[in-house]
Amino acid sequence: EVQLVESGGGVVRPGGSLRLSCTASGFTFDDYGMSWVRQVPGKGLEWVSGITWNGGSTNFADSVKGRFTISRDNAKNTLYLQMSNLGVEDTALYHCAREEYFGDYLYFDYWGQGVLVTVSS
Amino acid sequence: DIQMTQSPSSLSASVGDRITITCRASQSIRSYLNWYQQKPGKAPKLLIYVASTLQSGVPSRFSGSGSGTDFTLTISSLQPEDVATYYCQQSFSSPRTFGQGTKVEIK
Repeated sequence: EVQLVESGGGVVRPGGSLRLSCTASGFTFDDYGMSWVRQVPGKGLEWVSGITWNGGSTNFADSVKGRFTISRDNAKNTLYLQMSNLGVEDTALYHCAREEYFGDYLYFDYWGQGVLVTVSS
Repeated sequence: DIQMTQSPSSLSASVGDRITITCRASQSIRSYLNWYQQKPGKAPKLLIYVASTLQSGVPSRFSGSGSGTDFTLTISSLQPEDVATYYCQQSFSSPRTFGQGTKVEIK
């Protein structure tokens, strides 16, 4: 059974940093690209960042570019999101999601339950 | 960035009704369109990919159609367990933008 479990969330002050983790099980982790998607409580979904299977390529939403870094450790089956210079607008539930492809059509076929990040003074 | 616009934002229908949710892209995305269902307090769940391909295990009352800029998600016979928010998402280009969601309730 595919499982994605996020951790590392919490309350942080504006300007602070936090590192999220997503531990994967039930599939061959280094066969898949991965993404982070966030959701302000009660609001919609916003794709944040993605990384290829080997970490060789990453991309980011403009809203986090230059402040967030995505990485992975395939030996530990773990995806990371390093967040710095956090603002109140980054307060959200952060989900990790597995990227699957049908040809070159990308979709997110498994999601974690998410971890809450609250940026507040 | 490609903007995705869903309509309606919410709807209320009776059990057994046929309902349709529309998603419009700000430019052509060919068939790079996915649909997700999110129940309260749960992670999103993939329903449909490549505009019309049903994900394994998803009931056949769900269907998707469209290409280019206009897409629809249809539930042929609404069931109580379909109460959720539905999101479209484009994967034609980065960033992978989502629609704002359509909340479906039972009347």
